[in-house]
Amino acid sequence: AQTVTQSQPEMSVQEAETVTLSCTYDTSESDYYLFWYKQPPSRQMILVIRQEAYKQQNATENRFSVNFQKAAKSFSLKISDSQLGDAAMYFCAYRSPRGGSEKLVFGKGTKLTVNP
Amino acid sequence: DTAVSQTPKYLVTQMGNDKSIKCEQNLGHDTMYWYKQDSKKFLKIMFSYNNKELIINETVPNRFSPKSPDKAHLNLHINSLELGDSAVYFCASSQVGAEVKFFGPGTRLTVL
Repeated sequence: AQTVTQSQPEMSVQEAETVTLSCTYDTSESDYYLFWYKQPPSRQMILVIRQEAYKQQNATENRFSVNFQKAAKSFSLKISDSQLGDAAMYFCAYRSPRGGSEKLVFGKGTKLTVNP
Repeated sequence: DTAVSQTPKYLVTQMGNDKSIKCEQNLGHDTMYWYKQDSKKFLKIMFSYNNKELIINETVPNRFSPKSPDKAHLNLHINSLELGDSAVYFCASSQVGAEVKFFGPGTRLTVL
């Protein structure tokens, strides 16, 4: 079974600076999808960024980018120019491409605090 | 327009009661899910339905029963509520085979 590990329960960053959240996963599959979701205090789960394992190029969405290291099974999220609104829980998630296995496997989350 | 909606947003009830949480999506997706987020924020899938058919049923007590009256709705019924059922329950939807899931706002269930 796949597992996702986020080793940093909490992180903090100064506004306008850069922070990296780490995520590792364990799988025997060669093709899969990885995601970062953000959960602000409002509780809403918001997709931040996704990465297909077959793509070597790291995904980027504005200030958010990932460092995907397939061999190391590592998928870290970098937030540049941090803003107060980035404060939230961040969840790393894995999804198998196999039909019928539609579930997301989540890590335990990293709470990000942004200091003004 | 809300893509995935859940009602109620908050639910406080006594142990032993039976309650339901409703979920509706207006995205035309084929697949809907229920996830449970415990007090430590850990999110875990409970059920997945594809076109009203159950495709994932994780190890969940049979007091939990999902019901899908149509493709746009997946309701969660919980019988004989227990203290350990207190959590936030998220509904989500996606197209079959699509990796992106859209989540509802969550329902915070508190069992006293």
